[in-house]
Amino acid sequence: DQQVKQNSPSLSVQEGRISILNCDYTNSMFDYFLWYKKYPAEGPTFLISISSIKDKNEDGRFTVFLNKSAKHLSLHIVPSQPGDSAVYFCAANGEAGGTSYGKLTFGQGTILTVHP
Amino acid sequence: KAGVTQTPRYLIKTRGQQVTLSCSPISGHRSVSWYQQTPGQGLQFLFEYFSETQRNKGNFPGRFSGRQFSNSRSEMNVSTLELGDSALYLCASSYRGNIQYFGAGTRLSVL
Repeated sequence: DQQVKQNSPSLSVQEGRISILNCDYTNSMFDYFLWYKKYPAEGPTFLISISSIKDKNEDGRFTVFLNKSAKHLSLHIVPSQPGDSAVYFCAANGEAGGTSYGKLTFGQGTILTVHP
Repeated sequence: KAGVTQTPRYLIKTRGQQVTLSCSPISGHRSVSWYQQTPGQGLQFLFEYFSETQRNKGNFPGRFSGRQFSNSRSEMNVSTLELGDSALYLCASSYRGNIQYFGAGTRLSVL
């Protein structure tokens, strides 16, 4: 049962344009969402997060949008740069009964390629 | 501030052996979580420790265990290794368990 889904395995974007990565979740108890970037042979790097009490959070070129009614979040990167090419994971935290300590549930990842 | 440090970076073991992986969290972080990453299953949560206590555990067999020391450093042990245990094992630390910062991982190959 995959509770966090990234339905697009890959995304290709031209440098300078917007990259939009999508993520859907099924568990309504999730209350905190994160995006990570991962290069080969490295651990995931935290990018940006959002609490369920918000619908948008910005940090520089990165903006995360949360639509709780649709159980959907997206990461916008503007403008996209070749150095952004990596695997992007969305993750969620928070489960019923307060048993979510330290547990992030990850999507399968989306490979972003930004062409010069 | 130093990041999360995992040792060793690479390990090769044979079936039936056991292995211990080490993780040093970011200074001041008391929560340490462990994950397994495989091509088929993605990133899966193993367990989390906070102040030397296991607070949460994923759906892995009892062959996977861990512990945390008083300085917040953590170790993960896998006994009776199976071929399917070949994976990248990632450790992450956090101040309160939500925003987690990952180490580079330990690549375990079981032959």
